[in-house]
Amino acid sequence: DTAVSQTPKYLVTQMGNDKSIKCEQNLGHDTMYWYKQDSKKFLKIMFSYNNKELIINETVPNRFSPKSPDKAHLNLHINSLELGDSAVYFCASSQPTGPNTGELFFGEGSRLTVL
Amino acid sequence: AQSVTQPDIHITVSEGASLELRCNYSYGATPYLFWYVQSPGQGLQLLLKYFSGDTLVQGIKGFEAEFKRSQSSFNLRKPSVHWSDAAEYFCAVGADDMRFGAGTRLTVKP
Repeated sequence: DTAVSQTPKYLVTQMGNDKSIKCEQNLGHDTMYWYKQDSKKFLKIMFSYNNKELIINETVPNRFSPKSPDKAHLNLHINSLELGDSAVYFCASSQPTGPNTGELFFGEGSRLTVL
Repeated sequence: AQSVTQPDIHITVSEGASLELRCNYSYGATPYLFWYVQSPGQGLQLLLKYFSGDTLVQGIKGFEAEFKRSQSSFNLRKPSVHWSDAAEYFCAVGADDMRFGAGTRLTVKP
């Protein structure tokens, strides 16, 4: 039973299109994140939500809009895709208290390729 | 602001040899420190973490790491590397806004 699941796993699209990536976690965690991993494997935090409330919003273009309908879901919508958006996007969740405090549980990633 | 530096982009070791991956951090308070491993095409998996207490922490797959406050370091070690350890290794600091190092790619020679 997958703890953090993302869909789709692969996404190939044209410049200018709009696309969404969905994420769900069944761990009961309060906090969810989106990370971007570029071609050099560098991982950069984009957003974090705690119980549906936006906590972190790094300097990410306005074309990226996260949405958290409930604390188990955090979706990422991207408008007007650009070539530089090509990357692997990872969803993660964590719990601020308890034995696994601070530990991030990652999904398998969604590889976005913009042509 | 917190940050993490992994000085080695790529390390190659022979199977059975010992391994040390370096990590230096910058953090305003007592840091939460982590090592994650990423196999090709996979998400990241936690190897070990340090919050407080004993500065030598044991993790999964035979890995350990030592927190040295005086050197702002949290180096990862393994006494004998297996071919299956070939992967990308990330050091991270923080809690709610975890920051990752650039990663060290480990290649294991037969």
